[in-house]
Amino acid sequence: QSALTQPASVSGSLGQSIIISCTGTSSDVGGHSYVSWYQQYPGRAPKLMIYDVSNRPSGISNRFSGSKSGNTASLTISGLQAEDEADYYCSSYVNSNTFVIFGGGTKLSVL
Amino acid sequence: EVQLLDSGGDLVQPGGSLRLSCAASGFIFSGYAMSWVRQAPGKGLEWVSSISDSGGSIYYADSVKGRFTISRDNSKNMLYLQMNSLRAEDTAVYYCAKLVTTGRKFDSWGQGTLVTVSS
Repeated sequence: QSALTQPASVSGSLGQSIIISCTGTSSDVGGHSYVSWYQQYPGRAPKLMIYDVSNRPSGISNRFSGSKSGNTASLTISGLQAEDEADYYCSSYVNSNTFVIFGGGTKLSVL
Repeated sequence: EVQLLDSGGDLVQPGGSLRLSCAASGFIFSGYAMSWVRQAPGKGLEWVSSISDSGGSIYYADSVKGRFTISRDNSKNMLYLQMNSLRAEDTAVYYCAKLVTTGRKFDSWGQGTLVTVSS
């Protein structure tokens, strides 16, 4: 099972919106509604930002939103802030044998 | 507050063994599945292994199957990863993570422990 495909890097200016894509197949992203997104600062543990495609855990800003169309999931960050500069990873449930797969990660730069 | 404290990482020679531990607090440990996720230096996240709340169901990535063993002690709120026949490609920061089974999402993570496999 190959990793999900994410752009290596994305950039945006303060206050703007950006979208990070996560492309899989009908066996993973496209097959159900179990896509998650994680934020990771350098040297720190990942943090769950979005789960089940579009749900935010308690305490996560509503500037973060998720969606899915076909085999591609997307993370949108609106009103970019300096503290949003981090790496972002998507993940997807696959099946009971291939438990979960991650995307390769996207480095977000806030200009 | 959920807390996961990873430990046990070290420098080990190829072919060697190591046991990682994760001490959990702030939630009912026996009620949740747990996982190990690793990250090689400068690379992305890779799921390694998961264990159900009771320990009755266990899953491994193909890359570690037959070499790594996940286990848990619900009486001590502890998660373990026994790593044998270590290879250079196992070098990574290993995170324990609390797993929400439905949707396979990791909603809390440890701080990570570094395993370096090198001669």
